[in-house]
Amino acid sequence: GQQVMQIPQYQHVQEGEDFTTYCNSSTTLSNIQWYKQRPGGHPVFLIQLVKSGEVKKQKRLTFQFGEAKKNSSLHITATQTTDVGTYFCAGGGSQGNLIFGKGTKLSVKP
Amino acid sequence: DTEVTQTPKHLVMGMTNKKSLKCEQHMGHRAMYWYKQKAKKPPELMFVYSYEKLSINESVPSRFSPECPNSSLLNLHLHALQPEDSALYLCASSQQVAFSSYNEQFFGPGTRLTVL
Repeated sequence: GQQVMQIPQYQHVQEGEDFTTYCNSSTTLSNIQWYKQRPGGHPVFLIQLVKSGEVKKQKRLTFQFGEAKKNSSLHITATQTTDVGTYFCAGGGSQGNLIFGKGTKLSVKP
Repeated sequence: DTEVTQTPKHLVMGMTNKKSLKCEQHMGHRAMYWYKQKAKKPPELMFVYSYEKLSINESVPSRFSPECPNSSLLNLHLHALQPEDSALYLCASSQQVAFSSYNEQFFGPGTRLTVL
């Protein structure tokens, strides 16, 4: 079946450093969504990308969707302790379903 | 009100027990979902309801029985569960009704279930 691979699994950064997580699919995705789950919390929708090559920004967060719609990235500039959590990408599959990546757990050392 | 609420927050049950998880939203969303999330794993879709009718069942064992009494409520009835069913059970809702990967999903806080 369709899979979305997400790397890295874990990332430890010093506060103020940048962070990037990547998602890759072997097949074309219709869209990609990003969610954040704080420790002990639930997934919270961050953004959706639909167009090839699309780039969206939310303050220090930059989201990209690849030209071939097979990959995506989330980049956080100058991380803060409030950025701690697990970031999931979820790609749109051919069945209309969302295929979640395994997530990247971000920890930030103050 | 932009919240999805779930009760109880925590539940411990034996393998012979019958219990129910409840989910409620007042955003007027007509699609509601049940997910299961094991530790350090992504959410796994279990069921989707559209207009109070079950539209997707992801081959979930019959010991899990969903119910949608009205457009705001979603229940998950549990019976004869196994220890491996212990997980965080998340409810979500979306404004769009047709099952689509484009639906922005609003997740509830979840019920942390432990089966002894």
